[in-house]
Amino acid sequence: NAGVTQTPKFRVLKTGQSMTLLCAQDMNHEYMYWYRQDPGMGLRLIHYSVGEGTTAKGEVPDGYNVSRLKKQNFLLGLESAAPSQTSVYFCASQDRSNQPQHFGDGTRLSIL
Amino acid sequence: DQQVKQNSPSLSVQEGRISILNCDYTNSMFDYFLWYKKYPAEGPTFLISISSIKDKNEDGRFTVFLNKSAKHLSLHIVPSQPGDSAVYFCAASDRGFGNEKLTFGTGTRLTIIP
Repeated sequence: NAGVTQTPKFRVLKTGQSMTLLCAQDMNHEYMYWYRQDPGMGLRLIHYSVGEGTTAKGEVPDGYNVSRLKKQNFLLGLESAAPSQTSVYFCASQDRSNQPQHFGDGTRLSIL
Repeated sequence: DQQVKQNSPSLSVQEGRISILNCDYTNSMFDYFLWYKKYPAEGPTFLISISSIKDKNEDGRFTVFLNKSAKHLSLHIVPSQPGDSAVYFCAASDRGFGNEKLTFGTGTRLTIIP
């Protein structure tokens, strides 16, 4: 009964390093999303995907890339991490239109 | 430009009483609204939603009211229980173009006092 699983849960990076955050869902959902949550700002959409092999930009896409090679996985990449990318990252999946999004428990990322 | 606003960062309510959380939006194209609840170190969990064709939706202790003319929605929790203590996010989307993207408010921290 895993739902949406995010890996890793915590990570500390140095400025300029790269890393990939993994989101996996076992509900066969079509849509997947990446958000970041910062203090006083709610959740903001980074990138999203409406199906395997498709991705699109959200509200705050700069500095991030994504890939959806398999339906169940949605990867978020930081090519050259910056302190401004220190945040909590949430992944979500959605079955189809008119259904709510289901969230993972987040990845807390600190960039020093 | 904050299209979804939750102007109360925090709210404290006595156990057993009614909790009312408010949300305002500016984009008249929004036609679907949701409330999510978030505990520390966990992801948001879906609570209740409402379509713009309705003005009220109930699910157990939770009721969401939508006032389209005022661009305002509210979440009522009756009776409030200690387990309701969490951060509540209001979210909205414009599904007119098959767009499922959500715009979130900044959240209201609800504390239920035993």
